[in-house]
Amino acid sequence: DADVTQTPRNRITKTGKRIMLECSQTKGHDRMYWYRQDPGLGLRLIYYSFDVKDINKGEISDGYSVSRQAQAKFSLSLESAIPNQTALYFCATSDPGLAGGQDTQYFGPGTRLTVL
Amino acid sequence: GDSVTQMEGPVTLSEEACLTINCTYTATGYPSLFWYVQYPGEGLQLLLKATKADDKGSNKGFEATYRKETTSFHLEKGSVQVSDSAVYFCALAAGGTSYGKLTFGQGTILTVHP
Repeated sequence: DADVTQTPRNRITKTGKRIMLECSQTKGHDRMYWYRQDPGLGLRLIYYSFDVKDINKGEISDGYSVSRQAQAKFSLSLESAIPNQTALYFCATSDPGLAGGQDTQYFGPGTRLTVL
Repeated sequence: GDSVTQMEGPVTLSEEACLTINCTYTATGYPSLFWYVQYPGEGLQLLLKATKADDKGSNKGFEATYRKETTSFHLEKGSVQVSDSAVYFCALAAGGTSYGKLTFGQGTILTVHP
């Protein structure tokens, strides 16, 4: 079974609709992240959470919100979707480890979102 | 701010050819450096990493050396296979207020033909 799962894997919606993307992990990691991937731009950080009570904006948080329901669950919401939010969205987790050093991130399979 | 620049792709090679994908970075302090790979239809997975200057990361025949003097972390492989076809991302994790966050390059598409 995958350690980081995302639902749905694909979604087509219309402008103005509210949509939620969900991420679950079984790795037991405290840190979770949401990224979007656009062709030629790499991945850009939307929001991140270092524990259940900690939520932080990333590079491109406008138009998005998140909820950390539990250590294992981190949801991304688009309150009113617009076409330029069409992208591939990835959730990731990490664990700083005992040494507290820079940690490896583990990615889910992605959600392909199309906003018409 | 922190940034990562990768060579533009796409890169197309024949099987058994040598591969180099250039990556340079700008960051304050001493970042950790990573290469991630994304196979078709999948999420990113860590390929290799280096946490300090002159460290060499290696995995699956790929190597990259952390060069602080040239702020580079070029990815190399001596003999590519068709199964190496994927998108490769260079990334850095800086310290200070950026602690725990990754900054990615734009990605390089590699296609290997038989």
